[in-house]
Parts: sequence; C-alpha cells; structure tokens
Amino acid sequence: AQRVTQPEKLLSVFKGAPVELKCNYSYSGSPELFWYVQYSRQRLQLLLRHISRESIKGFTADLNKGETSFHLKKPFAQEEDSAMYYCALRNTGGFKTIFGAGTRLFVKA
Amino acid sequence: GAGVSQSPRYKVAKRGQDVALRCDPISGHVSLFWYQQALGQGPEFLTYFQNEAQLDKSGLPSDRFFAERPEGSVSTLKIQRTQQEDSAVYLCASSLEHGNTEAFFGQGTRLTVV
Repeated sequence: AQRVTQPEKLLSVFKGAPVELKCNYSYSGSPELFWYVQYSRQRLQLLLRHISRESIKGFTADLNKGETSFHLKKPFAQEEDSAMYYCALRNTGGFKTIFGAGTRLFVKA
Repeated sequence: GAGVSQSPRYKVAKRGQDVALRCDPISGHVSLFWYQQALGQGPEFLTYFQNEAQLDKSGLPSDRFFAERPEGSVSTLKIQRTQQEDSAVYLCASSLEHGNTEAFFGQGTRLTVV
C-alpha cells in the first residue's frame, strides 16, 4: 500500500535549535518526494522536492531509499518557521499525490 | 488572477442538501486536482483533470461526489445529499502541465454539514 507516515503531530523547538521533521513512506514504484508547508492563514505551498536537491529557507531533505525516509532538516530554527508541514509522494511522471497527516512545528522564542 | 481561487470559502449545509464548490485555476494551467482534507489529516486525492478530461476519479468517496471541468478551465465539485462525514476542507490545485511541474493550491472551501 502507498503510504506516507509522519510520526510526530507536534514538534516544539527553541529558536536557534536544530529541527528534524520525520517522514517515512511505503511505495512499490519510483516515487518523487515533496515537502509542503502551510503557514498560518495561508494556502498550502510547495517547500521542496527531492529531485531538485536544493535548500529552501535553510531546509534540506535527503531521500534515503534504503530506509524509505525523507526527513526535513534545518540546522537553526527560526520563529517564522512555525507552520504545518506535510510530506508527500507522487509516482514519477504521475499526478496522484499522497500526503502524510502533517507535523505542526512550533518554534519558541 | 494571482492564484487559484475557490468559492465559497465557507459553506454550511444541512444534511441531505446538495452543494457545489467552485475552483478557478491559474489561467493556462492544464492540470487541476481536487483534494479533501479532514480535520487533523493531510489532503486526500479526489480527482484529476487534464484540460476538460477527467483522467482519474478514483479518490471520490461515493457516487454522491461529482466533478466537472467542461471547458478546461473552471471546475466544480458537487456533493449530493451531503452527510456529516463530508465535513472537511476541499482543496483545489492546478499546475501548468502534467507531470514534473509544481501544483499551486487554493485557499480551500470549508464545508460543514449539520
């Protein structure tokens, strides 16, 4: 079964601390992995995708096929990073995107 | 338009009532998606259009749900005989073309069935 698991519903860290939002997936094909973010009162938006191998707002994510994970990391959290984060996967070249349940990140001053 | 626009933003329906939710995608976007997001959950895929063709409707939960995009632009998601379990945020997204392009989401319509 195709599934995205985000084990933490809520993650609270202090400003300046490292943060890691966990994401594990199960998929039989060749997936593309994404992280989406939703800031308060804003719409859902793409943060980054594994094929781009880029850093957005200081966040990075590495696809580990052996562990079927795509954890999102940032070395120094900022208050403005407080948001809801969703991990998602899509079959390469496909269109159906499967989302995890989301992790709410709260960065304390 | 600046982005994907959905209307209404909020809808309260009595159980058994029919509702219609509208999505205006970004102009020129070929692909259009509908998702259902229940409270505390991530978005769940409902259906996908490429222009006016509905290529996948496997996520529609029952035959009470119907979506259309007759001219390949605006889309409507219709729910007949609403039930309490239909209460959710309904998200629409569009992308420039099929495949490896970013999808842009609307603000969603929050449907509450009472």
